[in-house]
Amino acid sequence: DVKVTQSSRYLVKRTGEKVFLECVQDMDHENMFWYRQDPGLGLRLIYFSYDVKMKEKGDIPEGYSVSREKKERFSLILESASTNQTSMYLCASSPGDTQYFGPGTRLTVL
Amino acid sequence: AQSVTQLDSQVPVFEEAPVELRCNYSSSVSVYLFWYVQYPNQGLQLLLKYLSGSTLVKSINGFEAEFNKSQTSFHLRKPSVHISDTAEYFCAVSDLTGAQKLVFGQGTRLTINP
Repeated sequence: DVKVTQSSRYLVKRTGEKVFLECVQDMDHENMFWYRQDPGLGLRLIYFSYDVKMKEKGDIPEGYSVSREKKERFSLILESASTNQTSMYLCASSPGDTQYFGPGTRLTVL
Repeated sequence: AQSVTQLDSQVPVFEEAPVELRCNYSSSVSVYLFWYVQYPNQGLQLLLKYLSGSTLVKSINGFEAEFNKSQTSFHLRKPSVHISDTAEYFCAVSDLTGAQKLVFGQGTRLTINP
């Protein structure tokens, strides 16, 4: 079974803090993705990576950056957290046509 | 670019009744189609997918969806629902090339009443 793990299920941070969300997959997948999920909006793609050190912006990259130093790990970084980044963050990995999701991190920015 | 519209944000049904969750998409290129399910406080799980071949695809827990190219639809159906089917359901599309990014619909919350 594919396993995608995320470092925290719940996280509370203060405005202006730097926040790291970590995602690890154990299936040697080339592609990894970060989404945010908000009620009524579905999932929106923030960034994705198709190889180590390679990244591309998704639909809503503003306020976020990413890092992929190793194939199995994809990190989402909020350089200076703001209240409008309070959301559920979902990581996924994919070998090609199908994405497999982690359990999500519910981030609250106060 | 692709877009996905799920026509119902909430669908309440009684246990053992049939259900249909509607999904329409827009794309200028061929696409793959997916339904994902999210149970409370969990991540998304793949329910079923259409890549090619037979336009009717089925899941192991009794759901099925039919790809209709002329109507650009991929509606999800189940003839008899169970309380355990209570969840949020997301329709998604991807193109066939590159990293195959997913574009999601807004989600449909299915509530099963006893």
